Amino acid sequence: GQNIDQPTEMTATEGAIVQINCTYQTSGFNGLFWYQQHAGEAPTFLSYNVLDGLEEKGRFSSFLSRSKGYSYLLLKELQMKDSASYLCAVRDTGKLIFGQGTTLQVKP
Amino acid sequence: DAGITQSPRYKITETGRQVTLMCHQTWSHSYMFWYRQDLGHGLRLIYYSAAADITDKGEVPDGYVVSRSKTENFPLTLESATRSQTSVYFCASSEITGPGELFFGEGSRLTVL
Repeated sequence: GQNIDQPTEMTATEGAIVQINCTYQTSGFNGLFWYQQHAGEAPTFLSYNVLDGLEEKGRFSSFLSRSKGYSYLLLKELQMKDSASYLCAVRDTGKLIFGQGTTLQVKP
Repeated sequence: DAGITQSPRYKITETGRQVTLMCHQTWSHSYMFWYRQDLGHGLRLIYYSAAADITDKGEVPDGYVVSRSKTENFPLTLESATRSQTSVYFCASSEITGPGELFFGEGSRLTVL
């Protein structure tokens, strides 16, 4: 079966750092993705991890531990425009399965 | 313009009617996907296709039909729409090589009355 868990909501302050966790149990694994989705818009690609470790991309970093079925997305120097939903997704052979998403609210 | 386009963007229909949502991509990506997004459920995979004439069920395929006679098109048909199929539908495509990140269309908002 497929199970991908994320917190439903998080709140953080502008300028701070926030970590969004994702745990997964899937029958296959070909990589883990993070997407950002602003309200009323389509998801956009943020990051990809297929090997254990940290991938850094500007203010955003993503970490993967395959043995623990665990990933996190780290957002630094939060800005108001980072208020959005963050979707964790696992590639299982050809298909991409998503978690329910974490809605992040950034407050001034 | 290159990209992935969905039509219609908004559709209101009645229970029992047939509805087809269109998806067209210009990248020649191998994979195409249909998701639905509802509050509290995130993105759920309906059907996907690895290539022309190859389709597979996703997490929630019941009530939907797909076809892929050409690489660039992947229409989704609701043969007899039900109120529970009111949702936002996203089409996406990805390449078979590399990380294979999905590129999404803008979405089609369907309301079934």
